[in-house]
Amino acid sequence: DTAVSQTPKYLVTQMGNDKSIKCEQNLGHDTMYWYKQDSKKFLKIMFSYNNKELIINETVPNRFSPKSPDKAHLNLHINSLELGDSAVYFCASSQGSNGYTFGSGTRLTVV
Amino acid sequence: GESVGLHLPTLSVQEGDNSIINCAYSNSASDYFIWYKQESGKGPQFIIDIRSNMDKRQGQRVTVLLNKTVKHLSLQIAATQPGDSAVYFCAETPRTGAQKLVFGQGTRLTINP
Repeated sequence: DTAVSQTPKYLVTQMGNDKSIKCEQNLGHDTMYWYKQDSKKFLKIMFSYNNKELIINETVPNRFSPKSPDKAHLNLHINSLELGDSAVYFCASSQGSNGYTFGSGTRLTVV
Repeated sequence: GESVGLHLPTLSVQEGDNSIINCAYSNSASDYFIWYKQESGKGPQFIIDIRSNMDKRQGQRVTVLLNKTVKHLSLQIAATQPGDSAVYFCAETPRTGAQKLVFGQGTRLTINP
């Protein structure tokens, strides 16, 4: 079983479209995250949720809206996609500061 | 502010040699440090961690050293193998405030046959 699974793995879309990325963890962790990795491999946190509650929002444009229906799921919806949104998005989960586990990533390409 | 930086963006070593990847951090309140390995097309994979009350921690073929005086972290990989080729990241979490990982730039390790 994959501990942190995210779909889709690849996403190619046109500017201005709206898209969603889904994430699920089966580790029983309380906290879930979204990270963005740019073309230079730099990883930066976007959001974190703890038991469905938003804890961290790292000055991400409000075109990005995370949603956590339960503590095992954290989805990321992006409105009005821009070229600069092209990146690899990683979902992760942890139990407190322990056991950080990352998904395999979603490569988003905006054309 | 919080920042974690690596001294070298690329490192090439011969197969069988030892490699050392370095990392500097600026937040003296950092409490927990993790090294991740990222292979092409995959997510970061946990290698080893260390808390601020320790100076050294060993795993299988890997050792992490923490020098809090100079805010420096290193990852030593013994007897490198082709499968060790990847990008390596250090990450830290602050002791206070919301839990989040702050990542360094990453070092690409290449193992030469």
